[in-house]
Amino acid sequence: GAGVSQSPSNKVTEKGKDVELRCDPISGHTALYWYRQSLGQGLEFLIYFQGNSAPDKSGLPSDRFSAERTGGSVSTLTIQRTQQEDSAVYLCASSRTGLGDYEQYFGPGTRLTVT
Amino acid sequence: AQTVTQSQPEMSVQEAETVTLSCTYDTSESDYYLFWYKQPPSRQMILVIRQEAYKQQNATENRFSVNFQKAAKSFSLKISDSQLGDAAMYFCAYRSARKTGNQFYFGTGTSLTVIP
Repeated sequence: GAGVSQSPSNKVTEKGKDVELRCDPISGHTALYWYRQSLGQGLEFLIYFQGNSAPDKSGLPSDRFSAERTGGSVSTLTIQRTQQEDSAVYLCASSRTGLGDYEQYFGPGTRLTVT
Repeated sequence: AQTVTQSQPEMSVQEAETVTLSCTYDTSESDYYLFWYKQPPSRQMILVIRQEAYKQQNATENRFSVNFQKAAKSFSLKISDSQLGDAAMYFCAYRSARKTGNQFYFGTGTSLTVIP
């Protein structure tokens, strides 16, 4: 079946502009995660959605970052008033459930460049 | 919060040889899951192997195996008969088994080079 898809694959924006990054998880997966990966760095957790539960937003670095998940499926990560330090690859992953040893399936990521 | 440490930023191995990537983690929990993910230059993260903490037997997937030492909180990945396609970033990850707030925690990764 189809894997996790993300769009756009690359995004270049000017400092101060808002951007929206989209994630389409695997159908039927109830858990969805957003991560940020800066050049040469590991994965920084941003936010986690599990079914209809309130999302875990503990990883969002500032109030310029927000995310929503509509209808338990597609998710959008929004970064307002982008800064150069926001430049990174943003990875989305989904999992069949938020429990157990179910693995995360990752999308190809969106490379965000803020000029 | 749990922390995952990969102390080897870069490793290299000769093709067909064996290499071990190290990972340690810090947790006060007794039940959890551990994972190794591979990220090739294409950026697509792929699961390599997983281990349940309550299982004493080390997980094995073809040429990949782990050495899980629960008391030492160590979870190393051994790649046997290394192939050129194994060249990638490898991330170790931890996940709690509790029912809420069980996000994944990733290490900073080890870049593996395979020398022909």
